[in-house]
Amino acid sequence: GNSVTQMEGPVTLSEEAFLTINCTYTATGYPSLFWYVQYPGEGLQLLLKATKADDKGSNKGFEATYRKETTSFHLEKGSVQVSDSAVYFCALSGGGGTSYGKLTFGQGTILTVHP
Amino acid sequence: KAGVTQTPRYLIKTRGQQVTLSCSPISGHRSVSWYQQTPGQGLQFLFEYFSETQRNKGNFPGRFSGRQFSNSRSEMNVSTLELGDSALYLCASSLDPSGKVRSYNEQFFGPGTRLTVL
Repeated sequence: GNSVTQMEGPVTLSEEAFLTINCTYTATGYPSLFWYVQYPGEGLQLLLKATKADDKGSNKGFEATYRKETTSFHLEKGSVQVSDSAVYFCALSGGGGTSYGKLTFGQGTILTVHP
Repeated sequence: KAGVTQTPRYLIKTRGQQVTLSCSPISGHRSVSWYQQTPGQGLQFLFEYFSETQRNKGNFPGRFSGRQFSNSRSEMNVSTLELGDSALYLCASSLDPSGKVRSYNEQFFGPGTRLTVL
């Protein structure tokens, strides 16, 4: 079945530092890939997505490129802010099997940014 | 356009009781999915409904059930609650206008219902 693996966390950075959160996946076919963010006490917000190989999703300074050859979708940001502190989830949908309305999530990475 | 709403936001129940959670999707969205979020297991898919039909189900016991109404609002029910059912239950809606499987359909999440079982 489908699976998503995120880098071990938590991640602690100083403001304006460069961020990378690694995400790799296992799926058959051609899944779509997503990054969601969860702030304390809230639900998940879609941060960015990519639906085919070599697509780059971007939003709010965050970027991720769909790499089919390495089955990866790493999240990057050039300069993080304190307000970026949250939990980040990599997810996929589709990719074969019974996929109606089902997102498969990674375990989440807690990001803390200090001033 | 209003987002996904979930009620109640917080619930406290005791073992053996049952509970019903409600989800109102974004207007025009026909697909509703439910997820359970716990510190130990992370985010796990429960089931998905479209046009009042369950199209997909995750690996949860039969105590977990759901339904969808003609206005796309959805409810999930957990019977005979166990301590391990304590979790954040998240609902998500998706446009899915064709009713066909489209992996790129984005899901929009509600704030969740925090269920505590004592």
